Amino acid sequence: GAGVSQSPSNKVTEKGKDVELRCDPISGHTALYWYRQSLGQGLEFLIYFQGNSAPDKSGLPSDRFSAERTGGSVSTLTIQRTQQEDSAVYLCASSLGLGVSEKLFFGSGTQLSVL
Amino acid sequence: KQEVTQIPAALSVPEGENLVLNCSFTDSAIYNLQWFRQDPGKGLTSLLLIQSSQREQTSGRLNASLDKSSGRSTLYIAASQPGDSATYLCALEIGGFQKLVFGTGTRLLVSP
Repeated sequence: GAGVSQSPSNKVTEKGKDVELRCDPISGHTALYWYRQSLGQGLEFLIYFQGNSAPDKSGLPSDRFSAERTGGSVSTLTIQRTQQEDSAVYLCASSLGLGVSEKLFFGSGTQLSVL
Repeated sequence: KQEVTQIPAALSVPEGENLVLNCSFTDSAIYNLQWFRQDPGKGLTSLLLIQSSQREQTSGRLNASLDKSSGRSTLYIAASQPGDSATYLCALEIGGFQKLVFGTGTRLLVSP
């Protein structure tokens, strides 16, 4: 596609519910990243996928958060038993994944509001 | 832990002014530094990327410099325009493969 696509753009949920956020990276990009942007914390790294390698999950804040990437393309970030502190903008990015120091291309994000 | 601070937090200038945004970081062991802009309700757009071995990068009216020894980077915007209004973020790649640590951001408003 022309850019990184994320859906939904907005999600309102009740505390305790599970949510799934979707990311379609740029075609041909092997690296995919999830970041979270919240008022109190700024932008934080969550998880990174590169090809068929095991993902780097070091940024996930708790075991309620998980992510998968199917077929080396689309990724889903799942938050179980959502809490109010999970409210944030979740940003996905992709890159060619050939090495360090590459430009990242970001999607417009999913604004998650937990009531 | 790497701390990244941007000054000023907000800046309002009239069109045509040259301006400088600052980014400071505490640990000089970085792979690169990037400057992004973020428009309201949108994702981030990469503006400039400076490798750790480089001192500066230029793109159009934008010039970014990097001084690792002092833990500082600056983004210079020449002849500012209303379309430059956005939040500007610096980000450091510290662990390889785009594990970026972002700064606190500078919100820029350029008035016509």
